[in-house]
Amino acid sequence: AQKVTQAQTEISVVEKEDVTLDCVYETRDTTYYLFWYKQPPSGELVFLIRRNSFDEQNEISGRYSWNFQKSTSSFNFTITASQVVDSAVYFCALSGTYNTDKLIFGTGTRLQVFP
Amino acid sequence: EAQVTQNPRYLITVTGKKLTVTCSQNMNHEYMSWYRQDPGLGLRQIYYSMNVEVTDKGDVPEGYKVSRKEKRNFPLILESPSPNQTSLYFCASSLTPPGQGAEKLFFGSGTQLSVL
Repeated sequence: AQKVTQAQTEISVVEKEDVTLDCVYETRDTTYYLFWYKQPPSGELVFLIRRNSFDEQNEISGRYSWNFQKSTSSFNFTITASQVVDSAVYFCALSGTYNTDKLIFGTGTRLQVFP
Repeated sequence: EAQVTQNPRYLITVTGKKLTVTCSQNMNHEYMSWYRQDPGLGLRQIYYSMNVEVTDKGDVPEGYKVSRKEKRNFPLILESPSPNQTSLYFCASSLTPPGQGAEKLFFGSGTQLSVL
């Protein structure tokens, strides 16, 4: 079965703290894709990153970084020096050749950054 | 601007009154899909379409219908809405299906539906 687990329901931090959002996935595919989306209070879904299963390089984009580890089936997301504007719900998602027709989403992690 | 347009943004209705949520994309995408978002459950797929006149059920299709008569449009139809369909709905599209290497799904801005 394919599954995405985001065990952290809600995280609260103070501005400038670093925070890591965990994502653990299950899949039988050898080729698969992992995504992160951000949902700010306004409600839209904002694409952050896509990673394929053959690319285990970590990615950094400004204050955002992603750590993909196939050995632990995890694709964790770290925000460095968090800001109030980072407050949102963050979703991790999975797609693969077994179920090509959809993204399988985790239940999301709500991040609150306080000033 | 490349986008997925959903309407309406907010909708309040009563049980049993048929409604349609429209979705249109301007990127010539073949794949389109509908998701619903519920607290604690994340997003779940309702229906999807691989191309014109090709639609299929997702994980939670009961109580919903879709059609894909044109490539750009993929309306979601609730013929007899019930309170358990109160949810946040998202339409999405991509050039290819997610598991076939799509770079990302483009999402509409969402439709908050309340069924009283």
